[in-house]
Amino acid sequence: EAGVVQSPRYKIIEKKQPVAFWCNPISGHNTLYWYLQNLGQGPELLIRYENEEAVDDSQLPKDRFSAERLKGVDSTLKIQPAELGDSAVYLCASSSELAPGELFFGEGSRLTVL
Amino acid sequence: GQQVMQIPQYQHVQEGEDFTTYCNSSTTLSNIQWYKQRPGGHPVFLIQLVKSGEVKKQKRLTFQFGEAKKNSSLHITATQTTDVGTYFCAGRRSYIPTFGRGTSLIVHP
Repeated sequence: EAGVVQSPRYKIIEKKQPVAFWCNPISGHNTLYWYLQNLGQGPELLIRYENEEAVDDSQLPKDRFSAERLKGVDSTLKIQPAELGDSAVYLCASSSELAPGELFFGEGSRLTVL
Repeated sequence: GQQVMQIPQYQHVQEGEDFTTYCNSSTTLSNIQWYKQRPGGHPVFLIQLVKSGEVKKQKRLTFQFGEAKKNSSLHITATQTTDVGTYFCAGRRSYIPTFGRGTSLIVHP
């Protein structure tokens, strides 16, 4: 069974440029999470989807961040424009209805903003 | 909002020594999960605790959930170099898992 797939693994951009990350969760997992992880910190939730519905996006900086999960499968997270402080690893995770507490994480997308 | 505190932030041990990390929540949790993240890797699920006072074991790892469901611990007996990584607890009060800062375990051979 394929795990959570994220791309790109690494991205280097200049500030004020846009960037997008893509995530394909494990097949059949209805819940999808986007987390942000800074160095030496735990993952911080940005947004959670139940199927195609964003059910918790209170931590998403909506002035520059946007996310979508069309058709309730894969998802994209966009930052426009990027700021220096956005440099971090963006982790996608998914879980199933049968085991909602068990999150499966992708390898993450490391963003560097110059 | 809900906060999950984890201590210590770092722990150096000699191979063969024991290791313990502690997780404390500001609110009562529905359940708690533990994850391990190897250097350069992503968090990997280890276990979930649900019941008050629950104790679960995985080989050399022992996980405990406090009676008040506000704290938890992970204990590793006789550490090995393969145990190196950062251990995170994630507490759930509703549907949202809130991660602690993690404890980084460094094992010296």
